Amino acid sequence: GQNIDQPTEMTATEGAIVQINCTYQTSGFNGLFWYQQHAGEAPTFLSYNVLDGLEEKGRFSSFLSRSKGYSYLLLKELQMKDSASYLCAVRDKLNSGYALNFGKGTSLLVTP
Amino acid sequence: GAGVSQTPSNKVTEKGKYVELRCDPISGHTALYWYRQSLGQGPEFLIYFQGTGAADDSGLPNDRFFAVRPEGSVSTLKIQRTERGDSAVYLCASSLGQSEQFFGPGTRLTVL
Repeated sequence: GQNIDQPTEMTATEGAIVQINCTYQTSGFNGLFWYQQHAGEAPTFLSYNVLDGLEEKGRFSSFLSRSKGYSYLLLKELQMKDSASYLCAVRDKLNSGYALNFGKGTSLLVTP
Repeated sequence: GAGVSQTPSNKVTEKGKYVELRCDPISGHTALYWYRQSLGQGPEFLIYFQGTGAADDSGLPNDRFFAVRPEGSVSTLKIQRTERGDSAVYLCASSLGQSEQFFGPGTRLTVL
């Protein structure tokens, strides 16, 4: 199994940049995903990293270092609608290699 | 096209009763997953189907939980002798191979 750690809560100002960190331990890494989840709604896919480096997608970027068991999600030009929970999830080659193991999520509050 | 749908959206039952939760995946998605999410936690993996067969059921908490996908499309999660601790949001997701998983809106189960 994995240990996935991410901060419980973060606060940032509209228009600013925020970085949400995620560390993990796994015996058979097979990809890391970031999902956004607004209160009472389903998680929606943001990004996927399987190789080291930075993946950029508009205002959102995600970074992975497999040797360090570390990822971050970078959100630029924050908007009020970005207030949500951000979930880090790791896929493991053990078992089926398809199931996602999620962290507890980071609740981000964007203030005016 | 239509996303993942789940019915019912809410289910209230009494301790000891049997419940069935239904998931309609995105058309053509061969992989289907069930997760459950408690308040303040990330989704917890329950079971994964590839086609009609359960490829990984390592997340089912005990033998009161069972899921089927008889024709490789719609899936039903069945919980026998429900307990108060089963109260959670049950999320279904589907994917094409190992691509990102698309989540449904969930069924909120409350066991009184």
